[in-house]
Amino acid sequence: EILLTQSPGTLSMSPGERATLSCRASQSIYRNYLTWYQQKRGQAPRLLIYGASSRATGIPDRFSGSGSGTDFTLTISRLEPEDFAVYYCQQYDSSGITFGQGTRLEIK
Amino acid sequence: EVRLVESGGGVIQPGGSLRLSCAASNFPFGSNYMTWVRQAPGKGLEWVSLIFPGGATTYADSVKGRFTTSRDDSKNTLYLQMNNLRADDTAVYHCARVDSYFAFAFDIWGQGTTVTVSS
Repeated sequence: EILLTQSPGTLSMSPGERATLSCRASQSIYRNYLTWYQQKRGQAPRLLIYGASSRATGIPDRFSGSGSGTDFTLTISRLEPEDFAVYYCQQYDSSGITFGQGTRLEIK
Repeated sequence: EVRLVESGGGVIQPGGSLRLSCAASNFPFGSNYMTWVRQAPGKGLEWVSLIFPGGATTYADSVKGRFTTSRDDSKNTLYLQMNNLRADDTAVYHCARVDSYFAFAFDIWGQGTTVTVSS
């Protein structure tokens, strides 16, 4: 089973700032099948980025994903008030699917 | 509108059984992979199971041998049969559509149904 470790656990930032969230895998991710989700309190998760760097339909271009192999990053270029939420990375391979433990992005 | 709606949650005693349903609408259900994901109170997301078009399944180690995922393509419905439930199975259970063309991302989610295992 591939373990995903997200850092930091909590990120305190202000609107307008640039946020960088990390997701590190215990082994190389198959075909870079690394996905990012956003979850707000009381809501289902929302797909943001798939295949490490492709934005899902309707996701603003301030969200971007990068990385390959074992190290991946989600960047939010200019934080909007609605971006403060919990973010999860997730990977798929034939042995199973795993999520990272999440990064909470909070308003400073 | 593409939609997933879960049902069947409730309060159940340890050792009991429960079956969850996920009704899908407005997409070709039978040709899609589908998945169950759960979230314990105050915790992160945990993948539970994946079902392929045609019915093959794979499970997280934490539920293997206790949970069974199935699908009825004629009814556009996904199921999760949960047996021998334990307190640590308490969670909100979400079904989600899996986009196998886009890195097996979970692109559509239901709002979830709550399962509480308690005596």
